[in-house]
Amino acid sequence: DSGVTQTPKHLITATGQRVTLRCSPRSGDLSVYWYQQSLDQGLQFLIHYYNGEERAKGNILERFSAQQFPDLHSELNLSSLELGDSALYFCASSVDPQGEAFFGQGTRLTVV
Amino acid sequence: GEDVEQSLFLSVREGDSSVINCTYTDSSSTYLYWYKQEPGAGLQLLTYIFSNMDMKQDQRLTVLLNKKDKHLSLRIADTQTGDSAIYFCAESGPRVDSNYQLIWGAGTKLIIKP
Repeated sequence: DSGVTQTPKHLITATGQRVTLRCSPRSGDLSVYWYQQSLDQGLQFLIHYYNGEERAKGNILERFSAQQFPDLHSELNLSSLELGDSALYFCASSVDPQGEAFFGQGTRLTVV
Repeated sequence: GEDVEQSLFLSVREGDSSVINCTYTDSSSTYLYWYKQEPGAGLQLLTYIFSNMDMKQDQRLTVLLNKKDKHLSLRIADTQTGDSAIYFCAESGPRVDSNYQLIWGAGTKLIIKP
């Protein structure tokens, strides 16, 4: 158990819908990272938050957004979902941006 | 841009050594990592090496870094069925707004033959 909790574990939704994925980092970790893992794209970095502030953006679509709340949990919002958004979405946390990152179990999103 | 490359598959016999290779392009990488992903699970940090080191050993795992060739390898001694997983190589990429991003390889699926 990495200490990073992601909910829900599985999500099935229809195209055009909006979903919210939640991540609770390890206690004391200020950095939260979101990654997308799909069969054709591999593991892609989406976005990084540190202590509530966005620090870095990767290959995140405009239809996607994220935020980190004062209690340090983070949410990834995916809207206008398309079939190609079906993937595993991982959250990771670390004490600081250079620290070892611990990954959650992931949320498997299936868009039908 | 920065890139990390790995072979997609490696097949070894149980009890043999597995060597998973990775090449990277960013010569300014500070840390290089190996993560393991078991079926249906998240990623787990196996080990990492600081860029000024050549080798790091941790029980059955040996990491070798050739900075000149930008080549990283992970050797698993006495490979067991429980080692079946996808192994990801990652490097700490360019510094963006004082933070490091990880640049990931596509992962190498390790297949153990009985």
